[in-house]
Amino acid sequence: AQSVTQPDIHITVSEGASLELRCNYSYGATPYLFWYVQSPGQGLQLLLKYFSGDTLVQGIKGFEAEFKRSQSSFNLRKPSVHWSDAAEYFCAVVLMFSGGYNKLIFGAGTRLAVHP
Amino acid sequence: DAGVTQSPTHLIKTRGQQVTLRCSPKSGHDTVSWYQQALGQGPQFIFQYYEEEERQRGNFPDRFSGHQYPNYSSELNVNALLLGDSALYLCASSYRGNTIYFGEGSWLTVV
Repeated sequence: AQSVTQPDIHITVSEGASLELRCNYSYGATPYLFWYVQSPGQGLQLLLKYFSGDTLVQGIKGFEAEFKRSQSSFNLRKPSVHWSDAAEYFCAVVLMFSGGYNKLIFGAGTRLAVHP
Repeated sequence: DAGVTQSPTHLIKTRGQQVTLRCSPKSGHDTVSWYQQALGQGPQFIFQYYEEEERQRGNFPDRFSGHQYPNYSSELNVNALLLGDSALYLCASSYRGNTIYFGEGSWLTVV
C-alpha cells in the first residue's frame, strides 16, 4: 500500500543552523511528491513539488528537497533556519488514477521548533 | 489572483446536528478535494469532485457528502455529527490533477 513516513515527530534546531526533515515514501510508480508547511491555526502552504526531471528542487522560503529513488526519500533541507520557520511540515505523495483523479497521501508531519 | 477560499473559518455544532462547509477553488482550477485533519495528525482524504461528480472517496462514512457546482465551487456536508468529527476541514483545488493548493481550512468543533 502507498504510504509516507516522516520518522521525526519533533525536531528542535537553533536559529541559523541547517535543517533536514526526512521523508520516505512507498509507491509503485514514479511518485509526485510535495512538501507543505502549516503554521499554527493555518491551512497548508505548498513549499515545493517534484514531478520529474532534476532531482533537486527549489522551493519558497529558501527550502529545497532532493528526490532519491534508490532510497525512496524526498528530504527537505534549508541551510539556515529562521525563527519564522517554526511550524509543522508535511510530506505527501500524489496517487494518480486514470482520468486525472488524484489524492494526496500525507505523512504524520514533523513539528519544527527553533531556538533563538 | 485569489487562492482557495473556505468558509466559515470556525464553527461550533452540537452532536447530531448537520454542517455545511464551503469552498471556492483557485482561479482556473476545476477539481476540488476535501480533507479532514484531526488534531496532531496529517490530513486524510475525504473525496474529490470533478465536473460536478464525486469521483474518488476515502474511508469516510456516508454521513459525509458533497457537491460541486458549475462554477467549480464545492460544499462538504456532514450529517449526524459526532464528537470525533471535530477537526480542521481542508479544501484543495487543482487543474487536471496538477499542483494541488489548499485553503486555510474550516475549524469544526462538535460539543
